[in-house]
Amino acid sequence: KQEVTQIPAALSVPEGENLVLNCSFTDSAIYNLQWFRQDPGKGLTSLLLIQSSQREQTSGRLNASLDKSSGRSTLYIAASQPGDSATYLCAVRNTGFQKLVFGTGTRLLVSP
Amino acid sequence: DAGVIQSPRHEVTEMGQEVTLRCKPISGHNSLFWYRQTMMRGLELLIYFNNNVPIDDSGMPEDRFSAKMPNASFSTLKIQPSEPRDSAVYFCASSFRQRGMRGNDTEAFFGQGTRLTVV
Repeated sequence: KQEVTQIPAALSVPEGENLVLNCSFTDSAIYNLQWFRQDPGKGLTSLLLIQSSQREQTSGRLNASLDKSSGRSTLYIAASQPGDSATYLCAVRNTGFQKLVFGTGTRLLVSP
Repeated sequence: DAGVIQSPRHEVTEMGQEVTLRCKPISGHNSLFWYRQTMMRGLELLIYFNNNVPIDDSGMPEDRFSAKMPNASFSTLKIQPSEPRDSAVYFCASSFRQRGMRGNDTEAFFGQGTRLTVV
């Protein structure tokens, strides 16, 4: 059974810092991995999708990497801003299944 | 496209009443998912459909929960009778999988959710 863990559970940084969020999964037979952000009381917004054959994806100040063999992904946020404050969730889709299995999230607070 | 549309956004109901949540997936997507989010358990998959057919409903808590997808543009999640422990945010999501091509799932897009409170 796939299990997804995110560390740290919460993170507080001053504006401008570069930061890394971690995601690990127990079953490396994945199709893809997706990073989301969730603002309080809102839905999930897709940030990046990495297919199993890819090593990384970039979108603006965000860069996500994937190391399937070690069961890890990282989300790198450059030059953090207060608007980046949200909960960040990673989710994996296993081979042969379509459902996304979610981690518990990292709650990020960026202070001005 | 307007994205995944869910209704209602908020629902408050009394224990024992029937609740119906609605979802319109993104046009052209052939996979639809219902998730439930609580503080204690995070995001849990309840059921998902591919080409309007239920594929995995192992996450449906009990017989009080049922889901249908009568066509490619509409799905419902029904709880009858509702109980206070069903209080949660229910999300619908959709994506696209090309037939016969393993691993080529598109991104999953989520609706804004329905916040259900059962009193």
